[in-house]
Amino acid sequence: EIVLTQSPGTLSLSPGERATLSCRASQNVSSFYLAWYQQKPGQAPRLLMFGASSRATGIPDRFSGTGSGTDFTLSISRLEPEDSAVYYCQQFGGSPLYTFGQGTKLEIK
Amino acid sequence: QVQLQESGPGLVKPSETLSLSCTVSDDSISGYYWSWIRQADGKGLEWIGRIYSSGTPSYNPSFQSRVTMSVDTSKKQFSLKLSSVTAADTAVYYCARLGSWYFDSWGHGALVTVSS
Repeated sequence: EIVLTQSPGTLSLSPGERATLSCRASQNVSSFYLAWYQQKPGQAPRLLMFGASSRATGIPDRFSGTGSGTDFTLSISRLEPEDSAVYYCQQFGGSPLYTFGQGTKLEIK
Repeated sequence: QVQLQESGPGLVKPSETLSLSCTVSDDSISGYYWSWIRQADGKGLEWIGRIYSSGTPSYNPSFQSRVTMSVDTSKKQFSLKLSSVTAADTAVYYCARLGSWYFDSWGHGALVTVSS
């Protein structure tokens, strides 16, 4: 199983700042098969990024993704209060086919 | 944009079978993979399995012995059955569409509680 470990567990930042969220894989993951999701309280997750750096439809360019191999990063610039959420990374491959990280909670204060 | 809606009992007794359906809003059920993902309260996301519109399933080995998925394209629905449930199966269950290998559309989620 490919285990995804996200850090930090919680990130507290102010509006206008930049957030950097990490996702580390226990084995090499093709950057093509790495995605990020945003989940707000009481809502389903929403696809943010796929292929490590491609934004999903309607996602602003404040969101960007980079990485390869075992280390991936989601960056959010010019933070807004609406960015408060839990962010999950997800990979495809191996067994089970799909695994998620445990999530990073982003608080905007 | 496709809409997904989960339906099914919100309360299931221990040792019984959890059954959920997901209705797809349009004719896009054909040609896609469809998945079930669950989330226990305050926890992360756990992939249960996927099924292609033609009916070929793949399951998470953690659920292999207890899970069955099916699809009915005429009803624009796909379904999940999870047998021999315990309290550990209490979670919000999401249905989702696989856009290639990532989950690009999600239902709102259905809370299923396992309790006597």
